[in-house]
Amino acid sequence: QKEVEQDPGPLSVPEGAIVSLNCTYSNSAFQYFMWYRQYSRKGPELLMYTYSSGNKEDGRFTAQVDKSSKYISLFIRDSQPSDSATYLCAMSLYGGATNKLIFGTGTLLAVQP
Amino acid sequence: DAGVTQSPTHLIKTRGQQVTLRCSPISGHKSVSWYQQVLGQGPQFIFQYYEKEERGRGNFPDRFSARQFPNYSSELNVNALLLGDSALYLCASSMVGREGYTFGSGTRLTVV
Repeated sequence: QKEVEQDPGPLSVPEGAIVSLNCTYSNSAFQYFMWYRQYSRKGPELLMYTYSSGNKEDGRFTAQVDKSSKYISLFIRDSQPSDSATYLCAMSLYGGATNKLIFGTGTLLAVQP
Repeated sequence: DAGVTQSPTHLIKTRGQQVTLRCSPISGHKSVSWYQQVLGQGPQFIFQYYEKEERGRGNFPDRFSARQFPNYSSELNVNALLLGDSALYLCASSMVGREGYTFGSGTRLTVV
């Protein structure tokens, strides 16, 4: 069983839709949770970073963590064609600068104009 | 400010050859990590260096090695290349006390 599971999609939605992206994990020791966005032929870009259960909002993006269910989500409101990318969830045991990230496989999102 | 820079951007090598990939972290970032991303998969952790010391190693064979220089730049070396080493190699840097990692655009390695 992989430590982090993510639905690979692809997911296709119309412009303006609410998008829900999800990951589950098996290691209850994970404490830090991230969402990265990766455009084609580019490196991942950090979107959200959180370390507690609950919701964290940043503009059109909301990250949700449920540690009891070992489940995290990213919601995108009013989706735009520019949101079309691969979304990667990532987790780590510790914070700080000396820690490895465990990534999901990524979900490919296409927002249709 | 310049982001994380990686060179070269693309590389084609033959099986059995050796390759060196380079990374310059964001100014002030002392931690550098390397990840391998195979097409259709998430990045897999290879190495982490902090203050020029190896702080972590992923499940990769000894053909993979890395080092960090006094200016915090880093090199990833892969010997005896296999077809399965074809991937996007990503470098990420981070600052102590800050959240998350900043990734470079990667080096796309193709082994033929």
